[in-house]
Amino acid sequence: SQTIHQWPATLVQPVGSPLSLECTVEGTSNPNLYWYRQAAGRGLQLLFYSVGIGQISSEVPQNLSASRPQDRQFILSSKKLLLSDSGFYLCAWSPKRGRNEQFFGPGTRLTVL
Amino acid sequence: GEDVEQSLFLSVREGDSSVINCTYTDSSSTYLYWYKQEPGAGLQLLTYIFSNMDMKQDQRLTVLLNKKDKHLSLRIADTQTGDSAIYFCAETVSGYSTLTFGKGTMLLVSP
Repeated sequence: SQTIHQWPATLVQPVGSPLSLECTVEGTSNPNLYWYRQAAGRGLQLLFYSVGIGQISSEVPQNLSASRPQDRQFILSSKKLLLSDSGFYLCAWSPKRGRNEQFFGPGTRLTVL
Repeated sequence: GEDVEQSLFLSVREGDSSVINCTYTDSSSTYLYWYKQEPGAGLQLLTYIFSNMDMKQDQRLTVLLNKKDKHLSLRIADTQTGDSAIYFCAETVSGYSTLTFGKGTMLLVSP
């Protein structure tokens, strides 16, 4: 069966520090991968998605970036965090064929102080 | 752009039925989904419905789709306190890589 991992689970970082969040998927190959941010207001904001290694689509211009160095690894980064980057970051994967349903990881709670 | 709307909050008593509603604008929607998010956790796929169906039942969950009105609902029978969570409606078009999510409905079940 497929599983998706995110780490760390929680993170507290000072303003201006760098960020690296990691997501890995097991039990499938060539998935589509997604990064979302969920702010306190609850809605999901799609940040990036990737249909293959090295292929990244950015949905929202900001100080975050994403990379996909391996088939089942998706990394969210920032060189300098802002207070507004605080939130709950969710990674998801979907199979390329079928119903497009997405399966979510457990999330990373990021607090920028 | 395409949009998915949900009411923000629903409160019910344990044992009652809950009905969470969703409207969407994309007439090309192929699949529609319901996700559940418990506090501090990721989203869990509950169920989906294909656009050529008008109803789907899965144990305590019943999904109704009115394609003409672009209205989707999720009915939870015999609601339990463990059903308290945020419920997200989402839609996609076949061939697209992304989903469009509503902002979520917070369901509070009181004993």
